[in-house]
Amino acid sequence: DGGITQSPKYLFRKEGQNVTLSCEQNLNHDAMYWYRQDPGQGLRLIYYSQIVNDFQKGDIAEGYSVSREKKESFPLTVTSAQKNPTAFYLCASRVYSNQPQHFGDGTRLSIL
Amino acid sequence: AQKITQTQPGMFVQEKEAVTLDCTYDTSDQSYGLFWYKQPSSGEMIFLIYQGSYDEQNATEGRYSLNFQKARKSANLVISASQLGDSAMYFCAMREGSGNTGKLIFGQGTTLQVKP
Repeated sequence: DGGITQSPKYLFRKEGQNVTLSCEQNLNHDAMYWYRQDPGQGLRLIYYSQIVNDFQKGDIAEGYSVSREKKESFPLTVTSAQKNPTAFYLCASRVYSNQPQHFGDGTRLSIL
Repeated sequence: AQKITQTQPGMFVQEKEAVTLDCTYDTSDQSYGLFWYKQPSSGEMIFLIYQGSYDEQNATEGRYSLNFQKARKSANLVISASQLGDSAMYFCAMREGSGNTGKLIFGQGTTLQVKP
């Protein structure tokens, strides 16, 4: 079945450590997105990419980085510069703008 | 600035009854889209229904319908015949009209609990 796979499901980060969250889709979607969700809150956009080798900052990009070397993959790195990384991270993709975004199951990141 | 407002942090509904979840939006764009998503406690986001700003008819998908009142800038979700499995958090989102980025702006969400 086609879908979006996020891994790992749970991730723990030590102080000063960079961690990378994986997002892979086999839906042949051009655009991909990363969102952050804090407890009891809505989703906020971190980065998005509309095409391979191109990506744009969202509303809360500081302390995060991404790459888009392949259409299927859009990994998110949470750097040590992100001082409050504990959150639920959701990856999404879409085929074109008036179609809904499809989401992965998310990664929960916590600080050790 | 574009904004989505969901004023009901939590709602209760009796099983088999209908419930309306409120959503108001603010945009100066003429072309935009409105989405509703369901987020169960497991965390995944499930797409429910979509309404385009130029759609004249209110969108419906099974037990879900969207009460779109453009002049009031509201896009309320109506769930008919509530089921226990409808207990979840519900998010209203707006696609930014400018450009073709497909970026979504989300509201804060409404937690719905269905009572047996």
